Amino acid sequence: AQSVAQPEDQVNVAEGNPLTVKCTYSVSGNPYLFWYVQYPNRGLQFLLKYITGDNLVKGSYGFEAEFNKSQTSFHLKKPSALVSDSALYFCAVRPANQAGTALIFGKGTTLSVSS
Amino acid sequence: GAVVSQHPSRVICKSGTSVKIECRSLDFQATTMFWYRQFPKQSLMLMATSNEGSKATYEQGVEKDKFLINHASLTLSTLTVTSAHPEDSSFYICSGGAARGGRHEQFFGPGTRLTVL
Repeated sequence: AQSVAQPEDQVNVAEGNPLTVKCTYSVSGNPYLFWYVQYPNRGLQFLLKYITGDNLVKGSYGFEAEFNKSQTSFHLKKPSALVSDSALYFCAVRPANQAGTALIFGKGTTLSVSS
Repeated sequence: GAVVSQHPSRVICKSGTSVKIECRSLDFQATTMFWYRQFPKQSLMLMATSNEGSKATYEQGVEKDKFLINHASLTLSTLTVTSAHPEDSSFYICSGGAARGGRHEQFFGPGTRLTVL
């Protein structure tokens, strides 16, 4: 079965420090991978996606993620965290060969950036 | 481009009443619509998938007679929560799927907060 794991419920970092939010996945075949951010009582905002090509993907607001096929991971990173980055982050996956099917979401990781 | 709207953004209703939530793709045609629900501090759980003009496919454990989904056009899907109860209180998020550049992508609406008293 397809699944996404976000092993950390919460990540705490100080402003200005680098941050990493972890994600691993399990799908049949090649994956399409996504990161979304959600602020309280708001919908999902798209950050970035990996479809094919370069394993390092750059997205919105200075975030990036690296696709690692051997480790089946797609960790989200940012070199210098901002207090405004504090939010709930979701990793999602869809098998590349299943066009039209829904994204499968991880449970989410709350990022807290302290000043 | 690829904007999805939901209406209402927030609704409070009494137990036993029905509530309709609209999901519109504003600048593209959504061949597929997905409905998710999200409980506080939890992930998005897929409820159902609908294709325009056909019946929705519900995920296991989702009551199709309680959560009525209509996808009458390529730009509009509705979710009706019938005889709502407090346990139906949740954040409902829709997304529209469309082919872009040879790939199928999903675009998410802003969500609807349902509170059943």
